[in-house]
Amino acid sequence: GENVEQHPSTLSVQEGDSAVIKCTYSDSASNYFPWYKQELGKRPQLIIDIRSNVGEKKDQRIAVTLNKTAKHFSLHITETQPEDSAVYFCAASIGGGSYIPTFGRGTSLIVHP
Amino acid sequence: SAVISQKPSRDICQRGTSLTIQCQVDSQVTMMFWYRQQPGQSLTLIATANQGSEATYESGFVIDKFPISRPNLTFSTLTVSNMSPEDSSIYLCSAHWQDGNTIYFGEGSWLTVV
Repeated sequence: GENVEQHPSTLSVQEGDSAVIKCTYSDSASNYFPWYKQELGKRPQLIIDIRSNVGEKKDQRIAVTLNKTAKHFSLHITETQPEDSAVYFCAASIGGGSYIPTFGRGTSLIVHP
Repeated sequence: SAVISQKPSRDICQRGTSLTIQCQVDSQVTMMFWYRQQPGQSLTLIATANQGSEATYESGFVIDKFPISRPNLTFSTLTVSNMSPEDSSIYLCSAHWQDGNTIYFGEGSWLTVV
C-alpha cells in the first residue's frame, strides 16, 4: 500500500519568514495530494490540494509543488503569521479508486511573533 | 464545503463501558469513514462505513471493538466497545463526495476513558 513520509515533524519560524513542509510517497499510482491544517482542538481542514497533472498550485500565501518523478510534494507558506501555527498533514490518494488518502505523520508549525 | 456534524463532541467514559458516536452529513455522500487520532498523532483510518452492508475495517481494527452502522447515505455511527484508557482519543467522521477526490472531516469526538 501507499506510504507517506512527512518532514520535518516540528518547524519553528519567525513571523514573516517562509515555511516549507515536504512529503514523499511510494505508490506511483497516487494522483491526488491534499494538505490539511489542524488547529489545536479543531478538525483537520483542507487548505490546498494538487492533482498529478499539475506541477504547482498557489492560493494567496500558500503553494504546493509536485514532482512526480521523484514522488515528492511540498507545502510552501510565505509571510507566515502567528495564526498559521497549527499541525499540517499531507496525504496521497488514488483518484478514481477508493479515494482513501494515506496521511503523513504531521508537522507542527510554530510561528513566533 | 459540506457540513458534517458529530456528537458527542466530548465525553468522559468509565472503563468497560461503550459509547456510540453519531455522524450526520448534510447531503448524500459516496463514502463515509471513521478515523482515530491519538494525542499528538496522525490520522489512522479505522474503517469505511458502507451503506447497507458491513463496514470494511483496516488492519488492527475489528468489528467487535468498533461496530459501525450506516443505515443511509447521510448518517453513520461508530461504537467504541468495552473501553479502556488506551481508547482515549479523538474519533473523526469523514465523508467523500462523488464529484471530487477531497474528503472532509467532522468536528471530532474527544473521548477520555477513566
